[in-house]
This record gives sequence, structure tokens and C-alpha cells, in this order.
Amino acid sequence: GESVGLHLPTLSVQEGDNSIINCAYSNSASDYFIWYKQESGKGPQFIIDIRSNMDKRQGQRVTVLLNKTVKHLSLQIAATQPGDSAVYFCAENPGGGADGLTFGKGTHLIIQP
Amino acid sequence: SQTIHQWPATLVQPVGSPLSLECTVEGTSNPNLYWYRQAAGRGLQLLFYSVGIGQISSEVPQNLSASRPQDRQFILSSKKLLLSDSGFYLCAWMGGVGGYTFGSGTRLTVV
Repeated sequence: GESVGLHLPTLSVQEGDNSIINCAYSNSASDYFIWYKQESGKGPQFIIDIRSNMDKRQGQRVTVLLNKTVKHLSLQIAATQPGDSAVYFCAENPGGGADGLTFGKGTHLIIQP
Repeated sequence: SQTIHQWPATLVQPVGSPLSLECTVEGTSNPNLYWYRQAAGRGLQLLFYSVGIGQISSEVPQNLSASRPQDRQFILSSKKLLLSDSGFYLCAWMGGVGGYTFGSGTRLTVV
């Protein structure tokens, strides 16, 4: 089953605005979290990850925040561009081992011109 | 560099027909390999994973099976497809940036 979920199925933002995509996870033992971007008809692409010993990590135009107290993960995308339109998934690796990732349902980010 | 190949990209199969999807990885040895399925409007569900030749772990009971005949080859099969087997199938290996790298996927439509 899916232990990682998302609050909103669709998020629409104006081009140039910042967007925030949220994710709640249920397994407090998870120590590694990843955000993926999936464009239509393609496999997920890695965006950014964070380990449980951190609460914030920044990449190029993206920031991931981790709040272990409430088991909440968010992805912030700055200055959104048309190419950011996609479905975004959070994923957790509960055991930290080889038994795969648990994904949320995904948020469809739509960038309005 | 490591690459993952998955084929075919799209497949339309009648109910009751067999299925074979193949995934291969290049540039690495003894990878952990995974099959995920994505139904329309849903997240990715882990179906099978393998940590070595002949070693298969199944996450959910279903109409599908997996095999790993070679180190870098992972196959997803079915003897008789059901309508509910339709979906987007993704192969992944444990490695690369972010820890997991996905193939380009196979869109399976069972009619």
C-alpha cells in the first residue's frame, strides 16, 4: 500500500511564481526522501533528495523541507517555468535497504502563462 | 555511465494473452532491480524487486510474475492478461543520482 500521500492532486500557478508541493508520510522510520518529476509518458526523474538528519536542502530553483515532527515533506520551486509542468511525486525509503521506494499519489503542477 | 533500457514503449494486448516486458541495465554489475506499476491518476506501486540472479521478491499478489535470468536483466511476465493489468510499467535500478534510476516506461493497454 501507499504510506506516502499528497495533499493536493492538482496545483496551478502563474509562470514566474513560486510553487509549493506538499507531502505527508506515515513511516517514522523512513530516513531518506526523494522528490521526482514525471512528464507525460516518461519515467520519473530525480529532482532532489533529503536525509532524515537534515531539515532543508537546496538545489537549483528547488528546495526540499523536511519536518519530522509532523512527518511532512515539501518541495518548493522558485520562479516556475513552463517546463516545470509535470506530476511531482514524493517517495520514501522506509527501510533504507533494497526493498524499494514507497511513492505518494502525485501532484500535477500546471504552469499558467 | 549506467543506463537502463526498457521495452517496448507501448503495447496493446488482448485479454487472456501473455505478456513479457524486458528491462536491462548497462554499466553496472549486480544491481538491485525493481518493477513498478502506475495506474492512471495514481502513484507508483512496487510490484517486484530483485537483489540478484534468480532472486525475486513480490510486494503484492497479482496476475504477474518476474524473473531475473541474468545479472542485468529483469523480466515482467503474465500468462494471461486481465483488463486490470493495464497501466504504465516502470523498471528501476538502485543506483545513480538520487539512489534510484527509472527506465522510460511501458504503456500497456489490455483490450
